[in-house]
Amino acid sequence: GAGVSQSPSNKVTEKGKDVELRCDPISGHTALYWYRQSLGQGLEFLIYFQGNSAPDKSGLPSDRFSAERTGGSVSTLTIQRTQQEDSAVYLCASSGTTTDTQYFGPGTRLTVL
Amino acid sequence: AQSVTQPDIHITVSEGASLELRCNYSYGATPYLFWYVQSPGQGLQLLLKYFSGDTLVQGIKGFEAEFKRSQSSFNLRKPSVHWSDAAEYFCAVGFNSGYSTLTFGKGTMLLVSP
Repeated sequence: GAGVSQSPSNKVTEKGKDVELRCDPISGHTALYWYRQSLGQGLEFLIYFQGNSAPDKSGLPSDRFSAERTGGSVSTLTIQRTQQEDSAVYLCASSGTTTDTQYFGPGTRLTVL
Repeated sequence: AQSVTQPDIHITVSEGASLELRCNYSYGATPYLFWYVQSPGQGLQLLLKYFSGDTLVQGIKGFEAEFKRSQSSFNLRKPSVHWSDAAEYFCAVGFNSGYSTLTFGKGTMLLVSP
């Protein structure tokens, strides 16, 4: 079947605007993760969803960041009032169980001008 | 706190030569260990993983890695590098705290010279 997909692939926005990034996990995968990849910081965990449990938001850098997962499938990461330091590649991954391999999507490159 | 270290930011290897990329972690128990590769503009592709059992694991594209508990290491190796192996390689560790969000090393950029 299809892998993890993310949209858009690229997003350019102005400082202060809100953006939404979408992730479609592999069908049947119950766990979904968001990571951020930026120069100098490497790959950082942001948030994790597992089934119907409350998400682990411990990696979100500020309250401007939020995410939801509807129907246990598609997830949206929202960044409000974007700042230039939010510029990065946002990667989504999914896995079949909590200890299974994470498969990554191609990422969304966000540029905040 | 748990951490993952890839001490080499860049490595240049001649095509056909052998390769070893280093990865060390800091954790009190045995973690889940992964190597991913990322080509320019691409997402992360899993090369191999270690959960338990045989400490020498084979992956795709001719890569292998060996888990050494005594050294807290999980080094990636390939006996003969091809030009298409030029990419960035990430070691990642899942610490078994009930779920396994990954902690990544900073990555090692592999350059392959003719």
